[in-house]
Amino acid sequence: GAVVSQHPSWVICKSGTSVKIECRSLDFQATTMFWYRQFPKQSLMLMATSNEGSKATYEQGVEKDKFLINHASLTLSTLTVTSAHPEDSSFYICSAESPPGNQPQHFGDGTRLSIL
Amino acid sequence: AQSVTQLGSHVSVSEGALVLLRCNYSSSVPPYLFWYVQYPNQGLQLLLKYTSAATLVKGINGFEAEFKKSETSFHLTKPSAHMSDAAEYFCAVRGYNTDKLIFGTGTRLQVFP
Repeated sequence: GAVVSQHPSWVICKSGTSVKIECRSLDFQATTMFWYRQFPKQSLMLMATSNEGSKATYEQGVEKDKFLINHASLTLSTLTVTSAHPEDSSFYICSAESPPGNQPQHFGDGTRLSIL
Repeated sequence: AQSVTQLGSHVSVSEGALVLLRCNYSSSVPPYLFWYVQYPNQGLQLLLKYTSAATLVKGINGFEAEFKKSETSFHLTKPSAHMSDAAEYFCAVRGYNTDKLIFGTGTRLQVFP
């Protein structure tokens, strides 16, 4: 089945650091990937839709300059949390849609980000 | 706009008992509906999906869900709970003209021996 790999699984870093999270589709090409944020004991909140070769589409209230998304290839999307602060601590999850269209999204295992 | 409502943030059952997790959707067009399961510190795993074919959908791990248009529901059931079923379950909806998923607030399933 379709597999999505997310790396790293856990990051602890100091305030002010920029952190990059990778999301890879291992056995399929994903023209569209999604980035979610999940607070403890809450549901997933869509942050942005990442489209290969074009700019990401951000949801309302998500800071584009804070959460940089790059989707340079059909198998890789990255989320960079720039100048991270403690309030950015959260669980970040990516997903990718396997072809053809209208297929279920396949999720990575998530990245737990802790900013000290 | 599409939305889903999951009734009950926590459900507790005994091992071997019936599992019923409720999901109601709101959509102006026939929706795609999904159930996902999340284990602690992990991503989401697809349990099953409804895409306007059969109204009774069978998924993995013995779960199934029935699409009822008259009730705008897509409840998840399993005849006999297992300890390994303890997890967070999310219902999600996607409309025909969008690739975005809208998630419910989730239901935490506890299974007691």
